[in-house]
Amino acid sequence: QSALTQPRSVSGSPGQSVTISCTGTSSDVGGYRYVSWYQQHAGKAPKLMIYDVTKRPSGVPDRFSGSKSGNTASLTISGLQTEDEADYYCCSYAGSYTRVFGGGTTLTVL
Amino acid sequence: EVQLVESGGGLVQAGRSLRLSCAASGFTFDDYAMHWVRQAPGKGLEWVSSINLNSGSIGYADSAEGRFTISRDNAKNSLHLEMNSLKREDTALYYCVKDGEASGTYFDFWGQGTLVTVSS
Repeated sequence: QSALTQPRSVSGSPGQSVTISCTGTSSDVGGYRYVSWYQQHAGKAPKLMIYDVTKRPSGVPDRFSGSKSGNTASLTISGLQTEDEADYYCCSYAGSYTRVFGGGTTLTVL
Repeated sequence: EVQLVESGGGLVQAGRSLRLSCAASGFTFDDYAMHWVRQAPGKGLEWVSSINLNSGSIGYADSAEGRFTISRDNAKNSLHLEMNSLKREDTALYYCVKDGEASGTYFDFWGQGTLVTVSS
C-alpha cells in the first residue's frame, strides 16, 4: 500500500485553470474506476469533490472535473476562485477492500 | 441531516489500547459501507479501515493490520475501531466516514474527528 503520488503544490490566478495529477499503479488507479478527490480547508473535515473518476456530487460546482488515463488520475479546476484555495487529496480503491490516498496537494490561488 | 459523531479519543501510553466509536444518524446506516480515516498533525489523509454494510467485507491498511479491529452495530447505528498495541505514530485525528454506496467506493460524508495522542 504505497501512497499515490501528487504534486506537493500547485498555484493559479483567479479565473485560470489548474490540474492536479495523481499517479498510482495498475493495482490501484489503473485497475479500477474508483478514484475520488477530496478538498480540505485548514482546520476542517475533508469534502468529497469527485467520485468514480468523473462523477460530481450534487452541490459541487461544475468547475471541478475529473479524468483518468492509465495509472494517472487528474482533477481539473477551471475558473479558479479564491475559495478554492485548499488541500486536495486523491484516493483510489486498491483491491481486497483496501484504499490508498495520495500525499495531498496544496492549491494556492494567487 | 447526516451526522457522524466520533468519541473515545484521548491521551494513551504506547502499548495500550483504545476504542473509538462513531454514532451515526440522518441516514439508513445499514445501507452503507463505513470507514475510518486518520490524519496525523500537519500531515495528509491516511485510510485506516473499511467495513461494508453487513460486515462481510473488511479491509485494513498495513499500518493497522493485526492491531486494529473495525466493527459495526447496525441495530445501534454505530461504528467502532478497537486499537491495540498503540504506537506513537498512531497519533492522529481519526475521522469516521460514510460511504456513498453499499459496497464502499468513496467517502461522501466525514465526521469532525476524535483526537488520539499516543505518548511514549
